[in-house]
Amino acid sequence: GENVEQHPSTLSVQEGDSAVIKCTYSDSASNYFPWYKQELGKRPQLIIDIRSNVGEKKDQRIAVTLNKTAKHFSLHITETQPEDSAVYFCAAIRAGGTSYGKLTFGQGTILTVHP
Amino acid sequence: NAGVTQTPKFRVLKTGQSMTLLCAQDMNHEYMYWYRQDPGMGLRLIHYSVGEGTTAKGEVPDGYNVSRLKKQNFLLGLESAAPSQTSVYFCASSHRMVIQYFGAGTRLSVL
Repeated sequence: GENVEQHPSTLSVQEGDSAVIKCTYSDSASNYFPWYKQELGKRPQLIIDIRSNVGEKKDQRIAVTLNKTAKHFSLHITETQPEDSAVYFCAAIRAGGTSYGKLTFGQGTILTVHP
Repeated sequence: NAGVTQTPKFRVLKTGQSMTLLCAQDMNHEYMYWYRQDPGMGLRLIHYSVGEGTTAKGEVPDGYNVSRLKKQNFLLGLESAAPSQTSVYFCASSHRMVIQYFGAGTRLSVL
């Protein structure tokens, strides 16, 4: 089955700095990579995703890059703000065809943005 | 449109007791999932369903059972609770397998 490794487990930055979280996956057939943000005591929420036919995707201050050859993808947050503080999860899935849609999650990264 | 609703929000059980967690979604999604979340281990899939009347095992199914008698509901049962099942449980649903909407979670403590 798929295995997703996420690094770092904790990340501390100053407000205004950039933050980068990296994930690697094992199944070369995985073709969809969502990222979730989970604030303390809240449910995970999808913040951005990328499909395997795209190398980069941006949405305001967040961006995700994908390197299919190396089987890794990254989340980039620029101009971080205190409200970006949360746990971030990457995930991978082989979607389409007979796939039954089981997301495999990374272990999570606790991001703390200091004012 | 409430999305994905989980009940209860909190529960404390004694070892050996049983309970059922209810997940309800009003988005007409085919796929529903139960995850558990433990510190440092991310979200691990317990069981899932690809449609009414169907269920399948996920990554950590032992000690849990599920049922999907109605499309909108997915029940997670613990027949004999153990301290190792202390966790936060999240239900999720999706339409096209790729985007999952999560419920607010159930915090379960087994003493």
